[in-house]
Amino acid sequence: DAEITQSPRHKITETGRQVTLACHQTWNHNNMFWYRQDLGHGLRLIHYSYGVHDTNKGEVSDGYSVSRSNTEDLPLTLESAASSQTSVYFCASSESGRGNTEAFFGQGTRLTVV
Amino acid sequence: AQSVTQLDSHVSVSEGTPVLLRCNYSSSYSPSLFWYVQHPNKGLQLLLKYTSAATLVKGINGFEAEFKKSETSFHLTKPSAHMSDAAEYFCVVSDDYKYIFGTGTRLKVLA
Repeated sequence: DAEITQSPRHKITETGRQVTLACHQTWNHNNMFWYRQDLGHGLRLIHYSYGVHDTNKGEVSDGYSVSRSNTEDLPLTLESAASSQTSVYFCASSESGRGNTEAFFGQGTRLTVV
Repeated sequence: AQSVTQLDSHVSVSEGTPVLLRCNYSSSYSPSLFWYVQHPNKGLQLLLKYTSAATLVKGINGFEAEFKKSETSFHLTKPSAHMSDAAEYFCVVSDDYKYIFGTGTRLKVLA
């Protein structure tokens, strides 16, 4: 079965370190997204991609970057981790060209910055 | 830009009684709307979606939602709550192929 997987599931890092969260999907979806979930805010969009070599900033993109070198993967990098980036991160993907299709989500990565 | 507002951050119901989770949307054109559920420490699962085919949408686990353009609402309902329905629920609108989330409603089901 097709799926979307995130790794690691849990990570603790120190302030100032660079951190990369992995996201891999086997749906062959062109659209991929990164969200962060914080209490009281729901899920907020960090970055998204509509295809290989395409990346776009979302609502809360400061301090984060992504790159899309193939269809399956969209890694999220925290350039210099800050305590404000302690959160649960979700990756998602969806089929392109259809605005009414749903997104499929990974299980999330819980990141703690100490 | 499109947006959704979930009117209640917490809802408590007794087991066996109806559930109503409210969502209003803002859109300049006919939106695509979704409800997702998140059980504790889990990912997000699609409950149902509205894509303009029918205004009353049936989803999984007995949930349904009605799209009301005149009220710009897409409320989620279930006739009889079960203990396993306790979770966080998100109303979502699709905007230019992105997904915009409401702030969530935490449903508590009392025995």
